[in-house]
Amino acid sequence: DAKTTQPNSMESNEEEPVHLPCNHSTISGTDYIHWYRQLPSQGPEYVIHGLTSNVNNRMASLAIAEDRKSSTLILHRATLRDAAVYYCILRARNSGAGSYQLTFGKGTKLSVIP
Amino acid sequence: NAGVTQTPKFQVLKTGQSMTLQCAQDMNHNSMYWYRQDPGMGLRLIYYSASEGTTDKGEVPNGYNVSRLNKREFSLRLESAAPSQTSVYFCASSLLREWQFFGPGTRLTVL
Repeated sequence: DAKTTQPNSMESNEEEPVHLPCNHSTISGTDYIHWYRQLPSQGPEYVIHGLTSNVNNRMASLAIAEDRKSSTLILHRATLRDAAVYYCILRARNSGAGSYQLTFGKGTKLSVIP
Repeated sequence: NAGVTQTPKFQVLKTGQSMTLQCAQDMNHNSMYWYRQDPGMGLRLIYYSASEGTTDKGEVPNGYNVSRLNKREFSLRLESAAPSQTSVYFCASSLLREWQFFGPGTRLTVL
């Protein structure tokens, strides 16, 4: 299975942009890049996903490298509520069993400093 | 909409006891999942149900059984609990292969 590599932890000041990197050098052409986050004592929450093009939604932006070997989750203005563990996950696009599964690594723990 | 609900929120068992964790979703999703999360770790998939009437093993199925009771409900059973099953259990659902919605979790301790 294609794997992802993320820094263990990052810090950001409140109201500043945050760029969370993810390396996935063995990604296949049919893998989607998903990001989830997990706030303390809660279940994970979907943030954003993409295949090849950059994506924006109300929570964040996803920038995908041209060769798709890396991606960056961008929080435009970090708030204290964004302090969480952020997971970068590859998900198969095909219709097989693997396309239903999310494989979570340890993620990046984001701390937001007031 | 309540989303994904799980019961109970907390449970303490003795080794060898059995119990069933309940999960329900009201989003008319086809697929449902059970994960476990050990301290400091990411989630690991135990079982999933791609659609009503089907269930499949995930990464760590040993010691667990599941039942997809209907489209809304997906239960996880521990027949003979072991201390290694102490964990936080999360249920999730999705519309086929779309992104997953997670419940609040059940914190299980096995003594």
